[in-house]
Amino acid sequence: GQSLEQPSEVTAVEGAIVQINCTYQTSGFYGLSWYQQHDGGAPTFLSYNALDGLEETGRFSSFLSRSDSYGYLLLQELQMKDSASYFCAVHILYNTDKLIFGTGTRLQVFP
Amino acid sequence: GAVVSQHPSWVICKSGTSVKIECRSLDFQATTMFWYRQFPKQSLMLMATSNEGSKATYEQGVEKDKFLINHASLTLSTLTVTSAHPEDSSFYICSARAKDPLAKNIQYFGAGTRLSVL
Repeated sequence: GQSLEQPSEVTAVEGAIVQINCTYQTSGFYGLSWYQQHDGGAPTFLSYNALDGLEETGRFSSFLSRSDSYGYLLLQELQMKDSASYFCAVHILYNTDKLIFGTGTRLQVFP
Repeated sequence: GAVVSQHPSWVICKSGTSVKIECRSLDFQATTMFWYRQFPKQSLMLMATSNEGSKATYEQGVEKDKFLINHASLTLSTLTVTSAHPEDSSFYICSARAKDPLAKNIQYFGAGTRLSVL
């Protein structure tokens, strides 16, 4: 079966740095994405890693280690608007090409 | 670019009726569209994958006769919840993946449809 694990909740203050980890056990893995979702809203794409290493996009960076079945999302210079749920999602090719989402991490940023 | 429109955003219906939800990619062609279901404060659960012009592939445990999916064109997929019951009340979200191979397998999500069955 497929399983992904993330911490359920993380809290931090404005300006801080936060790392959200994701470990996975899947068949047919070929990439890891991160999505942000505000309450009642649509998930929005943040980053995608197909190869090992770090991808940087502005204040957000994402890391993947395929050998460890592990990745993380790093959020820097936190702002209040970053308070949201963050999901890692594995890309798998197993019968169909699809995304399987993790359990989600709720980030609360305090002033 | 890469906008996905989902309609309606909110619907209330009586038990036993059917509800159709539309998902459109507005500025790109989508080879594949996906339908998810999300309960409050939980993850997105993939229901089915649909490719234009072919039958949808349903995830294990999802009733294909209950959740009818049609993907008639490269920009439109519909989900029909047939004979809806209160336990079908949920947040349904569609996503679309672009035909462009440079799109890095990004899925673009609609704003979701909140279904309440009375």
